[in-house]
Amino acid sequence: DVKVTQSSRYLVKRTGEKVFLECVQDMDHENMFWYRQDPGLGLRLIYFSYDVKMKEKGDIPEGYSVSREKKERFSLILESASTNQTSMYLCASRSGQGANEQYFGPGTRLTVT
Amino acid sequence: SQKIEQNSEALNIQEGKTATLTCNYTNYSPAYLQWYRQDPGRGPVFLLLIRENEKEKRKERLKVTFDTTLKQSLFHITASQPADSATYLCALGSGGGFKTIFGAGTRLFVKA
Repeated sequence: DVKVTQSSRYLVKRTGEKVFLECVQDMDHENMFWYRQDPGLGLRLIYFSYDVKMKEKGDIPEGYSVSREKKERFSLILESASTNQTSMYLCASRSGQGANEQYFGPGTRLTVT
Repeated sequence: SQKIEQNSEALNIQEGKTATLTCNYTNYSPAYLQWYRQDPGRGPVFLLLIRENEKEKRKERLKVTFDTTLKQSLFHITASQPADSATYLCALGSGGGFKTIFGAGTRLFVKA
C-alpha cells in the first residue's frame, strides 16, 4: 500500500518561529510537491521537486523554502512564521510527469499565533 | 490568468440519485483533467483521469465527461450513497508538465 506521511497532523507555532514540515514517501517517486489549502482557494502549489536537490518555485513560494536531500523526503521550511501562513499544508508525490496521479499525505494543520 | 471554477455551494442529494458536479476552466488548454475525492481532515485521493482527446471515462459508478469546446468537465456519481459524501476536486494539467492546477472543490452530501 503506497504511503505519503507527514511529520505532524496539527502544529501550533508563534509568529517569528522557524517551522519545519516533513514529508516522506515510500513509492520511490521522482516528484514531490508542497501545497497549501485554504477555504475557497483550493490547493495552491508552494514548491515542487523533480529530483534530489532539485526544486522549483510554485505559485506562492514567498515566505517558504524547501529541502530535498534524499529521494523519499521533502521538507517545507517557514523561515519566520507569520499569521497569514496559518493553513492546511499538503504534501504529494508522483511518478513521472504529466497526467500521473498524485498521492497525498494526510496534511498538517498549522496555526501561527 | 488560468482559472478553475467549481460550484462553491454544497450539493445535497437523496441516496440513489445521480450526483453531477461541474468543473469549468478559463484561459487554459489542458491536456488532461483529473478528479480527486477529499474527506474532512484528509488528503485528496485520485479517482479518475480523462485526456483532452477523450469525451467520456467511466469507472464503476463514476463517469467523467470532458468538453474542450465548452471548457467544462462533468463528474457524475450514479446510485449515490451516503458514503459518497465528501469534497470533490477537479485538477488540470498540460502534457508533460510538472504542475497541476486544482479547483477549490465542491462539497457533496448524500442523504439516506
